[in-house]
Amino acid sequence: EAGVAQSPRYKIIEKRQSVAFWCNPISGHATLYWYQQILGQGPKLLIQFQNNGVVDDSQLPKDRFSAERLKGVDSTLKIQPAKLEDSAVYLCASSPFPRGSYNEQFFGPGTRLTVL
Amino acid sequence: GQNIDQPTEMTATEGAIVQINCTYQTSGFNGLFWYQQHAGEAPTFLSYNVLDGLEEKGRFSSFLSRSKGYSYLLLKELQMKDSASYLCAVGGSNYQLIWGAGTKLIIKP
Repeated sequence: EAGVAQSPRYKIIEKRQSVAFWCNPISGHATLYWYQQILGQGPKLLIQFQNNGVVDDSQLPKDRFSAERLKGVDSTLKIQPAKLEDSAVYLCASSPFPRGSYNEQFFGPGTRLTVL
Repeated sequence: GQNIDQPTEMTATEGAIVQINCTYQTSGFNGLFWYQQHAGEAPTFLSYNVLDGLEEKGRFSSFLSRSKGYSYLLLKELQMKDSASYLCAVGGSNYQLIWGAGTKLIIKP
């Protein structure tokens, strides 16, 4: 079974530029998550999709971040314009439709973003 | 509010045993997960506890006490490859995970 795919793996941009990240979840997984992980911290949820609908985007800085999940499969996360504090690893995770309380999340390799 | 606490860093010796603690206060509880994250890599699943008690899986064991809001991850026969961060996460509402900041484990020969 193929894992969660993300691209690019690394990105360096200057502040005020825009950037987009792509995620392809495990086939059949209904739920998709985008996380931001700053060095030395745990993952912070940015947005959660269930199929192609948004379940939670309460921590997404909507003035600069946007995300979509077309057709309930692939997803893109965009930052426009980027700020220095956006430097982090952006992780995509997916999970199958939950069985009771069990909801293991499977992570992609992440995109390491550096904003100069 | 929701809060998950775990030590920032621990050091242990190769071949020894180490216990990483996690305490939590969350508005809901749908199980507790432990993930391992090597530097520069994505988190990978280690264990899941939803009922009180100990779950053993090879060299790794995880314990849960729901009444105390407490869990620990026990690593036995430590190997150098166990040097990583260990993340405690609690299943909350909407099938989300509430994450701790992680414990960086350093293994010395």
